[in-house]
Amino acid sequence: DVKVTQSSRYLVKRTGEKVFLECVQDMDHENMFWYRQDPGLGLRLIYFSYDVKMKEKGDIPEGYSVSREKKERFSLILESASTNQTSMYLCASSLYPPGGTQPQHFGDGTRLSIL
Amino acid sequence: AQKITQTQPGMFVQEKEAVTLDCTYDTSDQSYGLFWYKQPSSGEMIFLIYQGSYDEQNATEGRYSLNFQKARKSANLVISASQLGDSAMYFCAMRVKGPGAGSYQLTFGKGTKLSVIP
Repeated sequence: DVKVTQSSRYLVKRTGEKVFLECVQDMDHENMFWYRQDPGLGLRLIYFSYDVKMKEKGDIPEGYSVSREKKERFSLILESASTNQTSMYLCASSLYPPGGTQPQHFGDGTRLSIL
Repeated sequence: AQKITQTQPGMFVQEKEAVTLDCTYDTSDQSYGLFWYKQPSSGEMIFLIYQGSYDEQNATEGRYSLNFQKARKSANLVISASQLGDSAMYFCAMRVKGPGAGSYQLTFGKGTKLSVIP
């Protein structure tokens, strides 16, 4: 089974802090994704990566950056955390799809609170 | 614009009954894919079922089936014989092309909260 592991289930940080959310997958997937989920808004894509050291902006990249130095690890960075970044963050991975039929496999999520 | 619409914020169903969760989509692409995910209260997203735009038959996976009506741009999820463990949020998602060559990403609907009543 595919395993996507997020480093923390719950995280509390202070405004202005630099925050790192880590995600590791064990299935040699090329694609990795970071989403945030807010009530009534569904999942919104922040950033994704389809290869090591490659990254692409999603729908809401402002205030975030990412790092992918190794294939299995994709980090989301909040450069200077703000209260409006309090949310549930979900990491996902998938195979590089020739036909795009591969599902994304998700981690358990990190509930981040910025005080 | 690529868009997924789920018009039912919440649904109730009696245990052992069937339920249909609605999903409509908007795309100008000829080749696309539609996914359904389940999210229990614990938070993890669980992949349920996939339908490709060129698939002639409706997808089925156990108690889940996808009622795909291409002309109407709808991809409704049907859950047969509902169980208490089916209570969860359900998200419809569509595969869209990413900016990189051959890259894809998903765009999600806002979800439907299903509650199964004993």
